[in-house]
Amino acid sequence: AQKITQTQPGMFVQEKEAVTLDCTYDTSDQSYGLFWYKQPSSGEMIFLIYQGSYDEQNATEGRYSLNFQKARKSANLVISASQLGDSAMYFCAMRADTGANSKLTFGKGITLSVRP
Amino acid sequence: GAGVSQSPRYKVTKRGQDVALRCDPISGHVSLYWYRQALGQGPEFLTYFNYEAQQDKSGLPNDRFSAERPEGSISTLTIQRTEQRDSAMYRCASSLGTASEAFFGQGTRLTVV
Repeated sequence: AQKITQTQPGMFVQEKEAVTLDCTYDTSDQSYGLFWYKQPSSGEMIFLIYQGSYDEQNATEGRYSLNFQKARKSANLVISASQLGDSAMYFCAMRADTGANSKLTFGKGITLSVRP
Repeated sequence: GAGVSQSPRYKVTKRGQDVALRCDPISGHVSLYWYRQALGQGPEFLTYFNYEAQQDKSGLPNDRFSAERPEGSISTLTIQRTEQRDSAMYRCASSLGTASEAFFGQGTRLTVV
């Protein structure tokens, strides 16, 4: 079984500063993927970034980077140069790459508020 | 289409009625997922398909819930004899394959009164 843990309470960050959103996971699968999604108040789920378990380099997408520490089973999201539009709920998710068992398992989410 | 399309966006139904929620995935996407999300919580897996085959339905809460994807494209999630506890946001996502990122639709907000 897969489990995603996001335990931070609501996070606050000053505009233009960097922020790290924590995510730890548990799985017995050898090959898996880790995802981060953003959910603004409008309710849509926006894909941000993906990290494969065998990728040696941390994934980056613009201002988003994923700090992947396999031994610690953590996949923290780093947002650089925060913008007011980054205020949203952020979900970490994982999926086993086993073909028949590829459901995405989500954490409970973290609320991020960016202050001007 | 350009993105995952779900309809209706909002549905209010009386307890005991059946509802059908529709998902039109991104063209060419093989995998299609259904999730349910309560307010302030993460999406909870319901079921998923590869092409027309339902690969996993372990997340369907009970036998009032069913889903189909008969031609490997559009999918319908049906809830029979709705109950108030079924009220939630129902989300559909699709991906090119099982090792690709999944893109979500806008969701259907279901309210059972």
